[in-house]
Amino acid sequence: GAGVSQTPSNKVTEKGKYVELRCDPISGHTALYWYRQSLGQGPEFLIYFQGTGAADDSGLPNDRFFAVRPEGSVSTLKIQRTERGDSAVYLCASSFGVNTEAFFGQGTRLTVV
Amino acid sequence: DQQVKQNSPSLSVQEGRISILNCDYTNSMFDYFLWYKKYPAEGPTFLISISSIKDKNEDGRFTVFLNKSAKHLSLHIVPSQPGDSAVYFCAASAKGFGNEKLTFGTGTRLTIIP
Repeated sequence: GAGVSQTPSNKVTEKGKYVELRCDPISGHTALYWYRQSLGQGPEFLIYFQGTGAADDSGLPNDRFFAVRPEGSVSTLKIQRTERGDSAVYLCASSFGVNTEAFFGQGTRLTVV
Repeated sequence: DQQVKQNSPSLSVQEGRISILNCDYTNSMFDYFLWYKKYPAEGPTFLISISSIKDKNEDGRFTVFLNKSAKHLSLHIVPSQPGDSAVYFCAASAKGFGNEKLTFGTGTRLTIIP
């Protein structure tokens, strides 16, 4: 596709459930980033990948959060035992390298009820 | 703690006038700064950036100024146009010209009045 695609665009889940959020980066982009934006806040860094490996996962809030990028393209952010505080817009971005412009997807709005 | 602060949640400017958006930071390790623009239901879009070795960077109607001693940067838009109405985020990196691990401010909603 032309841009970064995130699916689903909206996800409502019950507290305690497991969710997966998907990010399809721009073709050829080796760097991929996940951010979380809570209401009234700016995006908050979660993790970034260089190729298949997580180069920095220091922003993941706790061990309920995990992300993978097995083939160096599509990435999945996985959240176990969701809590109401996990409700936010999850943003994914990609770039050719870390020193080139990053393009963001439209985000996945996660609501935990 | 909020390492990047945008103290004005909103700003209204007449079309054709100058819009000035401000950003302050506390972490002296930050050496690269970016501005993003965000429309509703879309992801942020990169606008302009500046390295700490410069004090000004210009791109068309957009100019970013950096005052390292004051730990302050500003984005000037002139002349302002209705399409500039959006939320603007200031972001900072401690990793040079890198996008990894950006720290964002809370944003300023700019409204351009026709």
